[in-house]
Amino acid sequence: AQSVAQPEDQVNVAEGNPLTVKCTYSVSGNPYLFWYVQYPNRGLQFLLKYITGDNLVKGSYGFEAEFNKSQTSFHLKKPSALVSDSALYFCAVRDVYSGAGSYQLTFGKGTKLSVIP
Amino acid sequence: GAVVSQHPSWVICKSGTSVKIECRSLDFQATTMFWYRQFPKQSLMLMATSNEGSKATYEQGVEKDKFLINHASLTLSTLTVTSAHPEDSSFYICSGSQGGRDTEAFFGQGTRLTVV
Repeated sequence: AQSVAQPEDQVNVAEGNPLTVKCTYSVSGNPYLFWYVQYPNRGLQFLLKYITGDNLVKGSYGFEAEFNKSQTSFHLKKPSALVSDSALYFCAVRDVYSGAGSYQLTFGKGTKLSVIP
Repeated sequence: GAVVSQHPSWVICKSGTSVKIECRSLDFQATTMFWYRQFPKQSLMLMATSNEGSKATYEQGVEKDKFLINHASLTLSTLTVTSAHPEDSSFYICSGSQGGRDTEAFFGQGTRLTVV
């Protein structure tokens, strides 16, 4: 069965410093990995995805993620954090077929990122 | 990215009444809609999956007679919470998908339901 782990409930980082939000996964085949961000009382916004190709994936708002097959990880990174990056971040894998050609997303529990001015 | 519009953003209702939440894909055809429930400081819990023109598939433990899902068109899905009780108070989020595993799903802005 597929699963996603986000080992940190909260990550604190100073503004301007690099940030990393960790994610590891477990799937039976090739992983289809996603990162989403959620601001308070809002839905989720898509940041980036890894399907195949380069292990370093670039996404929205300056975020990037590194896929590491041997470590089964897909950590989210940003070189210089902004206060406005403070939000809840979810890693997800799309692995369970749900019919009509679509697949479910399995989410990690989420990591709250706080960027301190 | 594509837009999913979810309404209302928040609703307060009395116990025993029903509430309908609408989810529309504005610029794409969502062959599949997913409905989630999110408790404070927790991840999203998938409630059900609906494919256009078909009955919804509910996750284990979700009462299909209480949470009625309709997906009559490729751009509209609705979730009706019937005979609502205070324990149904939560944040409900819909998501639309038009493709396979390599495509991202797009999320509505969520509905905060409070049952009093």
